[in-house]
Amino acid sequence: AQRVTQPEKLLSVFKGAPVELKCNYSYSGSPELFWYVQYSRQRLQLLLRHISRESIKGFTADLNKGETSFHLKKPFAQEEDSAMYYCALRSLGTYKYIFGTGTRLKVLA
Amino acid sequence: DTGVSQDPRHKITKRGQNVTFRCDPISEHNRLYWYRQTLGQGPEFLTYFQNEAQLEKSRLLSDRFSAERPKGSFSTLEIQRTEQGDSAMYLCASSPAGGGYTFGSGTRLTVV
Repeated sequence: AQRVTQPEKLLSVFKGAPVELKCNYSYSGSPELFWYVQYSRQRLQLLLRHISRESIKGFTADLNKGETSFHLKKPFAQEEDSAMYYCALRSLGTYKYIFGTGTRLKVLA
Repeated sequence: DTGVSQDPRHKITKRGQNVTFRCDPISEHNRLYWYRQTLGQGPEFLTYFQNEAQLEKSRLLSDRFSAERPKGSFSTLEIQRTEQGDSAMYLCASSPAGGGYTFGSGTRLTVV
């Protein structure tokens, strides 16, 4: 069965510290992976998709097929990064996403 | 275009009543999706449309749920005979072919 696992419900880091939000998936084929972010009182919005291989707001994520992971990283956290982050998977031939349960990132001053 | 719009933002209803939610997608997007999100969970897929055709439905979508997208524009999601377990945030999203989702703000349903 396809599944996305985000093992941490809450991650607290100090401003300026590195951040890594974990995402592991189970899927036998070639998935498309995404990170979505939800800031306080705002709607879910796309942060990254793995096929773009770009850095958004200083965040990067690399798809590791061997470890079936798509961890989100940022070298220096900022207070405005505090938000809820969801990892999502789309399998080939479908347009539905499977979301993880999310990780709340708190960046402390 | 102001993005994906959902109406109403909040709905409180008594158990057993019917409710209908509306979603207006981004006009250039031919794909439209409905998701449900409960507390502490990520969004769960309910159904999706390509233009006016409903191409996939989740098993979560019981017989009490129905969704339509007449003319391939806005969509409605109706829940008949609501139950307390239907209380959730109902999210709509749209996308162009091959693109990522743009989500609406959601409709929060509370069944009392």
